[in-house]
Amino acid sequence: GAVVSQHPSWVICKSGTSVKIECRSLDFQATTMFWYRQFPKQSLMLMATSNEGSKATYEQGVEKDKFLINHASLTLSTLTVTSAHPEDSSFYICSARDGKKETQYFGPGTRLLVL
Amino acid sequence: AQSVAQPEDQVNVAEGNPLTVKCTYSVSGNPYLFWYVQYPNRGLQFLLKYITGDNLVKGSYGFEAEFNKSQTSFHLKKPSALVSDSALYFCAVRFSGGGADGLTFGKGTHLIIQP
Repeated sequence: GAVVSQHPSWVICKSGTSVKIECRSLDFQATTMFWYRQFPKQSLMLMATSNEGSKATYEQGVEKDKFLINHASLTLSTLTVTSAHPEDSSFYICSARDGKKETQYFGPGTRLLVL
Repeated sequence: AQSVAQPEDQVNVAEGNPLTVKCTYSVSGNPYLFWYVQYPNRGLQFLLKYITGDNLVKGSYGFEAEFNKSQTSFHLKKPSALVSDSALYFCAVRFSGGGADGLTFGKGTHLIIQP
């Protein structure tokens, strides 16, 4: 149980294009999902909290117009990196919070490379 | 503000010996504490958590951790290390005061088990 999937697992795109990453909780409902970013050999940094049916809450310094988050259902959240630039290249990891267990379960991550 | 410190970048242990990965935290109110493990190019796997109750919590793969309120610590332990335990370990905390805040992670500790 408690499986979270992400798609795609990796993506290469040209500078200026937009990339959408999907995060799904497969066997539980998650009213709250989170998006993190991890740079090489560094820890995870919370980008935003995705709430089902309402607007996402962004951490300080994260551009909400650049990183669009949609939490369309209790099992799906999407992160769209708009007008991507090389500095957006990173490892993006989502998590889904199982409220019953008070635990976040993480997806396998999406590696984004912007050329 | 909440924070997590993992004072060791790397811990080396011989196979079969006990291991400890250290974690201290700072948070207002009661903490929810977590340990996750990350294998190369993968997402995070949940190991164990402390929410309330017994200070000694047992988790996956034979790992355990002890919550010590006076020392604000939550060290990860295992009685007998396996080579397959070699990975990157993250301690994380969140404030239990309500809401759906994301986790604050430590910088991670590389655990290397030598055959």
